[in-house]
Amino acid sequence: AQSVAQPEDQVNVAEGNPLTVKCTYSVSGNPYLFWYVQYPNRGLQFLLKYITGDNLVKGSYGFEAEFNKSQTSFHLKKPSALVSDSALYFCADSATGMRFGAGTRLTVKP
Amino acid sequence: EAGVVQSPRYKIIEKKQPVAFWCNPISGHNTLYWYRQNLGQGPELLIRYENEEAVDDSQLPKDRFSAERLKGVDSTLKIQPAELGDSAVYLCASSPVGVPATEAFFGQGTRLTVV
Repeated sequence: AQSVAQPEDQVNVAEGNPLTVKCTYSVSGNPYLFWYVQYPNRGLQFLLKYITGDNLVKGSYGFEAEFNKSQTSFHLKKPSALVSDSALYFCADSATGMRFGAGTRLTVKP
Repeated sequence: EAGVVQSPRYKIIEKKQPVAFWCNPISGHNTLYWYRQNLGQGPELLIRYENEEAVDDSQLPKDRFSAERLKGVDSTLKIQPAELGDSAVYLCASSPVGVPATEAFFGQGTRLTVV
């Protein structure tokens, strides 16, 4: 079965520090991996995706993600966190319809 | 361009009552999804349509949930009868082409409270 996993329920970082939100995948065939963000009382917003090509994918709001086939990972990163980045982050795979991980709550403290 | 529109935004009903949610996807999007999201958790896929056809309804609790997408545009999701455990946010999303390479665009959701 196709699936993604987010091993951390919560990630806390200080403003200005780099952040990483982890995602691992388990798919047969080629993975189609996405990151979404959900701010309080708002819908999910697309950040970036990996379909094929370069392993480093750049997306909205300064986020990027690195696809690592050997580690079956697709971690979301940002060089310098902002307080406004605090939100719920979801990894998803779309090989059989868009299916989401359990989510990681990112808190950036001033 | 208008986004995915869902209504109502909020609904409070008593258990055992029926409830329906409506979704209007982005114009031209032939893929439509319904999800259920519990607080602080990831969206759970209930059903996926390609045009009028439900191509994946494996996670839809068919004893009480039903969905339709007439003419391949608007969609409704119905629960009858509702149970306390159905309290959640129901999300609709659409995308312009079929799986797997295209991101989904989400509506604001309908927050259902069953009392």
